[in-house]
Amino acid sequence: DADVTQTPRNRITKTGKRIMLECSQTKGHDRMYWYRQDPGLGLRLIYYSFDVKDINKGEISDGYSVSRQAQAKFSLSLESAIPNQTALYFCATSGMPEYNEQFFGPGTRLTVL
Amino acid sequence: GQQVMQIPQYQHVQEGEDFTTYCNSSTTLSNIQWYKQRPGGHPVFLIQLVKSGEVKKQKRLTFQFGEAKKNSSLHITATQTTDVGTYFCAGQSGAGSYQLTFGKGTKLSVIP
Repeated sequence: DADVTQTPRNRITKTGKRIMLECSQTKGHDRMYWYRQDPGLGLRLIYYSFDVKDINKGEISDGYSVSRQAQAKFSLSLESAIPNQTALYFCATSGMPEYNEQFFGPGTRLTVL
Repeated sequence: GQQVMQIPQYQHVQEGEDFTTYCNSSTTLSNIQWYKQRPGGHPVFLIQLVKSGEVKKQKRLTFQFGEAKKNSSLHITATQTTDVGTYFCAGQSGAGSYQLTFGKGTKLSVIP
């Protein structure tokens, strides 16, 4: 089984709808991240969490919110989806602070019509 | 904020040719990481460089971290079709800061 899983893998929704993307990990890592990938723009950090009680905004948090339900679970919500939120979303985890290798999930492709 | 520039954006090479991608940070980095994303896949960690002037090799891949810890490069010798994908550098700016700032990536195509 994969160490970092994301659900759903693909989602098509309409403008104005509320969407939740979920991420689960079995690596036992404290640190979790949500990134967005757009063609030609690389990976941009939306939110990150160092533990259940710690949530931090990243580079592009506007229009998004997150919830860290447990060490293993980190959800990303779009309260009212808009077309320019169409993108590939990745969840990632990392362990030791002195070696910040990040492990990525398979991604969720979201299309907002 | 911190910016990480990566060039070129695209590179097409004949199989067997060498390939290099370059990264430049606007600020001094505590470390830099490199990731590879195969088409349709997710980024996968390749390596982390921490020391000024550090050079690391993984088979045909050579990674360098500049003396000023603001630039880095990835060089692939004698490319193969299995090298196809997008290569990203990602910089971490300070000890205790766990944010990575990713470059926009270099997409490598290898012509057999």
